[in-house]
Amino acid sequence: GENVEQHPSTLSVQEGDSAVIKCTYSDSASNYFPWYKQELGKGPQLIIDIRSNVGEKKDQRIAVTLNKTAKHFSLHITETQPEDSAVYFCAASILGNTPLVFGKGTRLSVIA
Amino acid sequence: DAEITQSPRHKITETGRQVTLACHQTWNHNNMFWYRQDLGHGLRLIHYSYGVHDTNKGEVSDGYSVSRSNTEDLPLTLESAASSQTSVYFCASSDPRELGTDTQYFGPGTRLTVL
Repeated sequence: GENVEQHPSTLSVQEGDSAVIKCTYSDSASNYFPWYKQELGKGPQLIIDIRSNVGEKKDQRIAVTLNKTAKHFSLHITETQPEDSAVYFCAASILGNTPLVFGKGTRLSVIA
Repeated sequence: DAEITQSPRHKITETGRQVTLACHQTWNHNNMFWYRQDLGHGLRLIHYSYGVHDTNKGEVSDGYSVSRSNTEDLPLTLESAASSQTSVYFCASSDPRELGTDTQYFGPGTRLTVL
C-alpha cells in the first residue's frame, strides 16, 4: 500500500521568510496530492491540492510542486505570517479509488 | 450551512467499556472516514465508508467498528475500550462526484481518554 513520508517534523521561520515542506510517496499509481492545515484545537482543512497531470500549482502565497519521476511533492509558503503557524499534512491517493494516506505532519512556527 | 459535527467533543471512560463516537454530516457526501491522531503518528485511518451499508477497514481498525445505515451518519464504536485508544478522533467526509477533487472535510474532533 501507499506510504507517505513528510519532512521536517518541525520548522521555525522568521516572519516574511519562506517555508518549504517536503513529502515522498511510494505508490507510482497515486495521482492526487492534497495539503491540509490544522490549527490548534481544530480539524485539518484543505489548503491546496495537485493532480499528477500538473507539475505546479499556486494560490496566492502558497504553491505545491510535484515530481512524478522522483515521487515527491513539496509545499512552499512565501512571505510567511504568524497566522501560518499550524501543523501541515501532506497526503496521497488514487483519486476516487483509494483513501488518502497522510504524512505524519510538520509543525510550522512563524516567529514575529 | 452544511457542516460536519462530532459528539461528544470530550469523553472520559474506563477500560473495558463500550464507547460510541458520533459523526453527522449534512453535505449528503457519499464518503465518510474516521481517523485517530496521535503525537508522532499523524492521521491514521480507522474505518471508512463509500456509501450506505458499505464499510471498509483502514490501517488501524482493530478494536473499532462502524456501521452506515444512512448517508449522514457514521458512528464509531470501541467495543471494549483500552488505554491505547486514548487519542483524538476525527471524522471526515468527501464526495468524488465533485469533479477532479477528493477534498475531505473534517469535523472538530473528539478527545477520548480511557482510564
